[in-house]
Amino acid sequence: SQQGEEDPQALSIQEGENATMNCSYKTSINNLQWYRQNSGRGLVHLILIRSNEREKHSGRLRVTLDTSKKSSSLLITASRAADTASYFCATDGIQGAQKLVFGQGTRLTINP
Amino acid sequence: GAGVSQSPSNKVTEKGKDVELRCDPISGHTALYWYRQSLGQGLEFLIYFQGNSAPDKSGLPSDRFSAERTGGSVSTLTIQRTQQEDSAVYLCASSLVIRDGYTFGSGTRLTVV
Repeated sequence: SQQGEEDPQALSIQEGENATMNCSYKTSINNLQWYRQNSGRGLVHLILIRSNEREKHSGRLRVTLDTSKKSSSLLITASRAADTASYFCATDGIQGAQKLVFGQGTRLTINP
Repeated sequence: GAGVSQSPSNKVTEKGKDVELRCDPISGHTALYWYRQSLGQGLEFLIYFQGNSAPDKSGLPSDRFSAERTGGSVSTLTIQRTQQEDSAVYLCASSLVIRDGYTFGSGTRLTVV
């Protein structure tokens, strides 16, 4: 079953604008991670935020986590054409097996 | 190796045949995971290996699917008597320790005709 759900399913913006993607989940987590996927093949790990963290930065990426609302957001600032990809959130639940459960992803298109 | 290596990158097989997919994780990574992804969908968990512990097979969709990890390194995912609904990209990932970020391979695109 899917734990994380991304919103929106698809997002199209102009180069240079900021892109925000959201993720909601259902059960308590140990950490939440964001991944990028180009061309439907391997995923690339972007950032991991632990349940006791509220915000994390990596270059042009900013991730927030609100455990009270069971939600996270990924902000990409000053977007570039190369940021065009699908973005997935994945949760590592406290309960049960120690594996990531992925959402359905947000398809981001950056228009030049 | 420098990354997670999967082979073959593409596989076309006839319905009813068996297939083996291989994953070579990053050296020293204790955890190895298999997922599959159907076109335009999210990732579906299949199986996970951690060190010498018994694997978590809870995601395997049927008894036609099996996997092993030899010597704590290379893993093989076997699908017996393939069906058209098995067509998907099969992704392998490894992590240094559990609850860490994953490094994914490029996947094997399986097409059952």
